[in-house]
Amino acid sequence: QKEVEQNSGPLSVPEGAIASLNCTYSDRGSQSFFWYRQYSGKSPELIMSIYSNGDKEDGRFTAQLNKASQYVSLLIRDSQPSDSATYLCAVISTGGFKTIFGAGTRLFVKA
Amino acid sequence: DTAVSQTPKYLVTQMGNDKSIKCEQNLGHDTMYWYKQDSKKFLKIMFSYNNKELIINETVPNRFSPKSPDKAHLNLHINSLELGDSAVYFCASSQGGAMIYEQYFGPGTRLTVT
Repeated sequence: QKEVEQNSGPLSVPEGAIASLNCTYSDRGSQSFFWYRQYSGKSPELIMSIYSNGDKEDGRFTAQLNKASQYVSLLIRDSQPSDSATYLCAVISTGGFKTIFGAGTRLFVKA
Repeated sequence: DTAVSQTPKYLVTQMGNDKSIKCEQNLGHDTMYWYKQDSKKFLKIMFSYNNKELIINETVPNRFSPKSPDKAHLNLHINSLELGDSAVYFCASSQGGAMIYEQYFGPGTRLTVT
């Protein structure tokens, strides 16, 4: 079992729709969770962090965390073509020094 | 005012050569990282330094040697380059503390070994 799993996609949504990206992780002791966005040929950039169960909203982005289910998700409301990128789920391992990335989900937003 | 910078941006070299990649951050962070992103876009940690001390050393061939002269710099030296070393190498930094490690990435160095 991979430590951090994501559906590789591609996930295609029409402009204005909600894009839902999912991630599961295997280390039950993980405490910190992040979503990074990576445009083709560019470096990853942090878009959301979440540490507690529940939802965290920032603009059009909502991160959801369920530690019991070892599941974290990212919702993008009113998706725009500029949201088209690969979204990487990242989890800090127990102990706190190692970040484990998922393989990423490619998102396409069709105009 | 680049936060995390890397040089060079592109590196094309032949098998068997030795090369170095440099990284600098001006964010005042105390932890720096090297990641390798392969052709399938999978981002995998190689090394991590906290206050110039090596804290993560993943299963990486010993041809790869990181060096941190100070908290703001982390360099990566690669000996006897192989075809499989071709990838994009990212440097990153974060402010250590209580499990809150939001990382900031450099622009990447695309290494091509021919």
